This record gives sequence, C-alpha cells and structure tokens, in this order.
Amino acid sequence: GAGVSQSPSNKVTEKGKDVELRCDPISGHTALYWYRQSLGQGLEFLIYFQGNSAPDKSGLPSDRFSAERTGGSVSTLTIQRTQQEDSAVYLCASSSLGHGAKVDSPLHFGNGTRLTVT
Amino acid sequence: DQQVKQNSPSLSVQEGRISILNCDYTNSMFDYFLWYKKYPAEGPTFLISISSIKDKNEDGRFTVFLNKSAKHLSLHIVPSQPGDSAVYFCAASASGGSYIPTFGRGTSLIVHP
Repeated sequence: GAGVSQSPSNKVTEKGKDVELRCDPISGHTALYWYRQSLGQGLEFLIYFQGNSAPDKSGLPSDRFSAERTGGSVSTLTIQRTQQEDSAVYLCASSSLGHGAKVDSPLHFGNGTRLTVT
Repeated sequence: DQQVKQNSPSLSVQEGRISILNCDYTNSMFDYFLWYKKYPAEGPTFLISISSIKDKNEDGRFTVFLNKSAKHLSLHIVPSQPGDSAVYFCAASASGGSYIPTFGRGTSLIVHP
C-alpha cells in the first residue's frame, strides 16, 4: 500500500526566500506530525495535527514556520524568509493514533525533504 | 534539556555477534517506548516497541528491555547482520499526554562482515 509521500525530495533555496514542503499521509491516518533532523542531531518535533483538533505548534522554532492540514489529509509546512540554520531534513509522519487513545500506534515516516538554504 | 538520550553516537559489531543499543530517559511520565531504524536517504521505520507494563518484548532477532527504575531501555540484536547497519532511534511517549514521541539523537550501528 501507499506510504507517506513527501515532496520535493530535495530543495535548494536562497536565504530569505519562502519554501513550501508537502506531505501526503497514509489514507485514513488521523494523526500527522512534522519533525526535522539537522546535521548530527536527532529528530526535533515541529507540529502535530490530530483530526479536527487545533494543532500542537509547540515545536515550531520561530514564527517564520507555519503548517496547515487541509481536509484532514495533505499537509504543507511553510518556512518564510529562510535562514541557513533552517537547512535540515524535514520529515513528515502519520499514524492511526487518536489523541488520548489507550493504545499507542507507531509513526510511519516519509523519506523527507532535504532543505538546503544557501 | 534532552528527555531521551542515546549516549553512544556509534557502535561497531562483528557479524553474528550481539548488538546492544542503549537509551536513557528522564521524564517519568513516559510509558511507551519505540525503536526506529533509519537507512540513509530514507525515513525512519518502526522496529519494535514496549509498554511500561512490560520489561521485555521480543520480535525475532530483536529484543527490547525496559528498566523503569533506572529509566533505561536497550535494544538487543542477535545475531547481528550487515543489513542491520543503520541509525537506530529510541523514542518515548506519554499516554497521558499528547502522544507526541520524543526522539533521541540516534546511534549509528555498523555490522562488519
């Protein structure tokens, strides 16, 4: 079956430009997560969507970062006025876990978007 | 402050031997733990998990051990194979919270033929 799809796979942009990263989660998965992995670092949580609930934006590093999830499916992560420190692999994941559910459900990750800000 | 720590950035093991990857956590609210495996240019894939009501979970060559009092878990791979060479991430979540997994920095495992 189809997994989590992310596009583009690679993006090179100039400092100061805006970028949009797209994520298509697994069909039927209600939870969607964005993480990023900078060079030599672990996975840093950015934002979490669950159904129709307000997203958890607690991991967004600055107000230049925003994300939306339209129709409970596709999500777009937008970075405005990109900086060199934004260079990282941006990973999207989805799961069938419902908020507050008693049983956890593993995340299914896409292959990521490698963002390079020059 | 890192709530999930993988203090060994890398581990090298001979094929056929045991690989032991370690993970420590600080948040006592964590009650569900997962290991993910990541190959270059791919996203992490789920490997094995354990709930805090257990102290061991086994799946084929992979076994995860949980020591709640020490806030420590480990992943054992026996026997190790060259195809196991990858970065392994430990993750933890709290069922009473938002279920957003917190990840460690990963351990790069190299299994030599």
